Amino acid sequence: NAGVMQNPRHLVRRRGQEARLRCSPMKGHSHVYWYRQLPEEGLKFMVYLQKENIIDESGMPKERFSAEFPKEGPSILRIQQVVRGDSAAYFCASSNRADPANTIYFGEGSWLTVV
Amino acid sequence: QKEVEQDPGPLSVPEGAIVSLNCTYSNSAFQYFMWYRQYSRKGPELLMYTYSSGNKEDGRFTAQVDKSSKYISLFIRDSQPSDSATYLCAMSGTGGFKTIFGAGTRLFVKA
Repeated sequence: NAGVMQNPRHLVRRRGQEARLRCSPMKGHSHVYWYRQLPEEGLKFMVYLQKENIIDESGMPKERFSAEFPKEGPSILRIQQVVRGDSAAYFCASSNRADPANTIYFGEGSWLTVV
Repeated sequence: QKEVEQDPGPLSVPEGAIVSLNCTYSNSAFQYFMWYRQYSRKGPELLMYTYSSGNKEDGRFTAQVDKSSKYISLFIRDSQPSDSATYLCAMSGTGGFKTIFGAGTRLFVKA
């Protein structure tokens, strides 16, 4: 499967625990994006990364959330000390640097439930 | 004012109807226009991609861009129950411009 791969697809965490969501971009893509989608709401941009660099994190909450895209391995979105309000679908997407349209391709999402 | 405005719906139509989905935008720098379809509990998938103004057709789907009015549309002919989904418009510029998404319109096609 050459698409954007996310795991886990479903994750349940108790309040105060940490959640780690992983994303492997589409083959040949060097840009990774994370979006959050709350129930019945639209996609909200969180962060845009290239390998070893955060390009734009204007949509990331200031506390408890962090993202990385290391030189080797998948991109990780980390949520510390989760709260009920963090329950949402988290979508990773990737794009090809050479694409002038910056067309974004999405993974199937990771559904986080905080209990 | 949001950069991209899209009516969230829901929009309910009978099977076989022509569906019109629309977005307006404010930033004249946008040059690339995309439509995504998202089924429940799935990731958005790219449906159509258009550069600048004009029409693009793919099967039952037609994307239309009017840059002078800053208005884009997606038409679905002979709509099917399987078209029931949320449709998101998206747009970007050049030079590393961030892709901006509309809120999505929920479409229900009744058999």
